[in-house]
Amino acid sequence: NAGVTQTPKFQVLKTGQSMTLQCAQDMNHNSMYWYRQDPGMGLRLIYYSASEGTTDKGEVPNGYNVSRLNKREFSLRLESAAPSQTSVYFCASSVQGESYEQYFGPGTRLTVT
Amino acid sequence: KNEVEQSPQNLTAQEGEFITINCSYSVGISALHWLQQHPGGGIVSLFMLSSGKKKHGRLIATINIQEKHSSLHITASHPRDSAVYICAVRFRGGSQGNLIFGKGTKLSVKP
Repeated sequence: NAGVTQTPKFQVLKTGQSMTLQCAQDMNHNSMYWYRQDPGMGLRLIYYSASEGTTDKGEVPNGYNVSRLNKREFSLRLESAAPSQTSVYFCASSVQGESYEQYFGPGTRLTVT
Repeated sequence: KNEVEQSPQNLTAQEGEFITINCSYSVGISALHWLQQHPGGGIVSLFMLSSGKKKHGRLIATINIQEKHSSLHITASHPRDSAVYICAVRFRGGSQGNLIFGKGTKLSVKP
């Protein structure tokens, strides 16, 4: 039982390049989330998926797109990376919504130069 | 704006000390989470509570709904407790995507 897995762990991009961050959970959770963590700030929600087949914007969605591929997988895409997207990205899942315990992936450290 | 404030921002303690970390929020909530972020970056959920008190080993979390305040206590602290402790609040009402995180309290426990 791996919990929540994320790939890659580290990535360096040049401005304008694109990439997809992958996230998968094996706990049969309905809800999945993408957060970013920046120094001196709390975690901020980028996008979430309340259940398979649905996605919604969070607090900071600009510059990102997501796909809930199936119940297990939720990917985050940067179409044209910008230095402001340098951050640590965390995927999380919960049984159903934020009133249930959240399980986090190990994070992806992304640097955009 | 719905806000979550944590105090202190940084905390240094000697091994064995009793530690308290505080979290205050602005309006009614449906759930409050305490999370631990290890020095390596991984985030682990410690507690999720909506009322009362929960205990797990040396960790105790309490919440006072009327005062809009929660505390995380660590008894007999140990250097392995050194981490960033994060409070997150699900404000009442609204759709999903409403978990607001505090900026964290960085705890360092010296041997």
